[in-house]
Amino acid sequence: EVQLVESGGGLVQRGGSLRLSCAASGLTFSTYWMSWVRQAPGKGLEWVANINEDGTKKYYVDSVKGRFTISRDNAKNSLYLQMNSLRGEDTAVYYCARDRYWARDYWGQGTLVTVSS
Amino acid sequence: QSALTQPPSASGSPGQSVTISCTGTSSDVGGYNYVSWYQQHPGKAPKLMIHDVSQRPSGVPDRFSGSKSGNTASLTVSGLQAEDEADYYCSSYSGTDNWVFGGGTKLTVL
Repeated sequence: EVQLVESGGGLVQRGGSLRLSCAASGLTFSTYWMSWVRQAPGKGLEWVANINEDGTKKYYVDSVKGRFTISRDNAKNSLYLQMNSLRGEDTAVYYCARDRYWARDYWGQGTLVTVSS
Repeated sequence: QSALTQPPSASGSPGQSVTISCTGTSSDVGGYNYVSWYQQHPGKAPKLMIHDVSQRPSGVPDRFSGSKSGNTASLTVSGLQAEDEADYYCSSYSGTDNWVFGGGTKLTVL
């Protein structure tokens, strides 16, 4: 069974940094693209970033370019999202998801990031 | 990277069919057959229901179907059941290695 478990969320001040982690199991992690998708409280889903199988290709939504960095460690079956210069609009539940079929077919339960002023 | 347009709400009685639309542009929905649909119950993670416009992943009931015409994609839920009540989101590849979601539709089973 595929399991994705996010961690690292919490309360951070505006301008601060946070690193999210996603531990994957039940899949051959190194053979899949992976994504981060976020959902602001009471709002819809927003794709944030994704990364290819070996970490050499990374893509971001415009609003986080230059501030967020997606990475992975295939030896540890883990996905990461380093978030710097955080803003109020970054407040959201952040989901880790597996990319497949030109979609996201497995999702974690999410981790909440709250950016305070 | 504008969000795709979905109606905020939809409803139907048990056993009926309901269709949710998702309108984009020729740069996303109309330009690629990479539309997917997700179901999200309150407090839960999204679940993939449809990928590649009309393909159902294993385990998704065949009551769920997807289609596309021009810049608009649609999700149809037939034989509505109480457990289908949830939020539904469409998503599309939008070129230049980016993805876009719709604003979501709250489906109510009357």
